[in-house]
Amino acid sequence: NAGVTQTPKFRVLKTGQSMTLLCAQDMNHEYMYWYRQDPGMGLRLIHYSVGEGTTAKGEVPDGYNVSRLKKQNFLLGLESAAPSQTSVYFCASSLSSYSNQPQHFGDGTRLSIL
Amino acid sequence: AQKVTQAQTEISVVEKEDVTLDCVYETRDTTYYLFWYKQPPSGELVFLIRRNSFDEQNEISGRYSWNFQKSTSSFNFTITASQVVDSAVYFCALSEPANQAGTALIFGKGTTLSVSS
Repeated sequence: NAGVTQTPKFRVLKTGQSMTLLCAQDMNHEYMYWYRQDPGMGLRLIHYSVGEGTTAKGEVPDGYNVSRLKKQNFLLGLESAAPSQTSVYFCASSLSSYSNQPQHFGDGTRLSIL
Repeated sequence: AQKVTQAQTEISVVEKEDVTLDCVYETRDTTYYLFWYKQPPSGELVFLIRRNSFDEQNEISGRYSWNFQKSTSSFNFTITASQVVDSAVYFCALSEPANQAGTALIFGKGTTLSVSS
């Protein structure tokens, strides 16, 4: 009963390094999302995908890129990490475009940029 | 613009006290959905409840209850007889009708609830 799995769970990077966060879901969900959570800010949407091969920008997309080559995977990339990207990153998925569907969240990735 | 406000940043109560977490939202749409999520100290986000804009019935689930009042744009969450395990950050979120751009949630900033024994 995996649901939404994020890897890695923790990572420390140096400024300028690149990395990719992986999100995998086994619920056959069409929609997938990447959020970041910062202290006192709640969760803010970075990018999302409405299906395989599609991506779109959310509220705070700058400095990130995403890809959805397979329906079950949604990758978040940082090409040149900056200290402002230190955050906890959550991936989520939902069954359909109907907004009554709750989003299912992964356990988060804690990322620190030094 | 759509917005969710959780005015209470932190609340501290003693076990067995009742506590209400406030949520006020803003939207121009007539059809929308409201959610509550719980984030315990372990960090994961747990879905608690969903309510649509056409259903103003209050809901009770064990010690949890939710009061939706469209007239005041509020969706408040009450925990009765709180327990230490209720200590967590609670988020209220708003979702609007589906469009081709998806259905992301708009989150409030969260209320940190601390329950002491």
